[in-house]
Amino acid sequence: AQSVTQLGSHVSVSEGALVLLRCNYSSSVPPYLFWYVQYPNQGLQLLLKYTTGATLVKGINGFEAEFKKSETSFHLTKPSAHMSDAAEYFCAVTQGDGYNKLIFGAGTRLAVHP
Amino acid sequence: NAGVTQTPKFRVLKTGQSMTLLCAQDMNHEYMYWYRQDPGMGLRLIHYSVGEGTTAKGEVPDGYNVSRLKKQNFLLGLESAAPSQTSVYFCASSYTSEPQHFGDGTRLSIL
Repeated sequence: AQSVTQLGSHVSVSEGALVLLRCNYSSSVPPYLFWYVQYPNQGLQLLLKYTTGATLVKGINGFEAEFKKSETSFHLTKPSAHMSDAAEYFCAVTQGDGYNKLIFGAGTRLAVHP
Repeated sequence: NAGVTQTPKFRVLKTGQSMTLLCAQDMNHEYMYWYRQDPGMGLRLIHYSVGEGTTAKGEVPDGYNVSRLKKQNFLLGLESAAPSQTSVYFCASSYTSEPQHFGDGTRLSIL
């Protein structure tokens, strides 16, 4: 069975600092991987996704993630945090046999302070 | 262009009452989904639909029913509400892809 682990339920960074949100998955076959962002009192928005091809994926708002099969990881990064990045971030995985079978991680809440 | 609209936004029910949550999308998407979000957990899929007139069970379907009589609407019903169904409910829609467009959620409390 697939599972997703997001290390750190809360991450705090200074404005301008590197953002690193960790995601590890367990899957017996090559997965499709996603990052979503949720701003307060809103639904989720798709940040980026990896299906096949280039393992470094660029998304919206300056975020990117790298699929590392050997580490079963799909960490989300942004070189310089902005106050507007404060939100909750969810990693999700599916084996490609139906996006209705997305499995979400528990989420990481990112705080950005001046 | 409203995207995905959920009604109501908030609701308080008593145990045993019934209600229906409405999700409407104006993007002509085939796929629609209902998720619930609980503290400390990611979203869990309740039911989904791959087109008008079709529905299927997700990860946590017990206690819920759905209908997709019109392509643009996806209804989630609670026949006999239980406190364990207190949650935030999200609807999403997409083409034949991952859920991409989410509503703003319905906050439901069952007393």
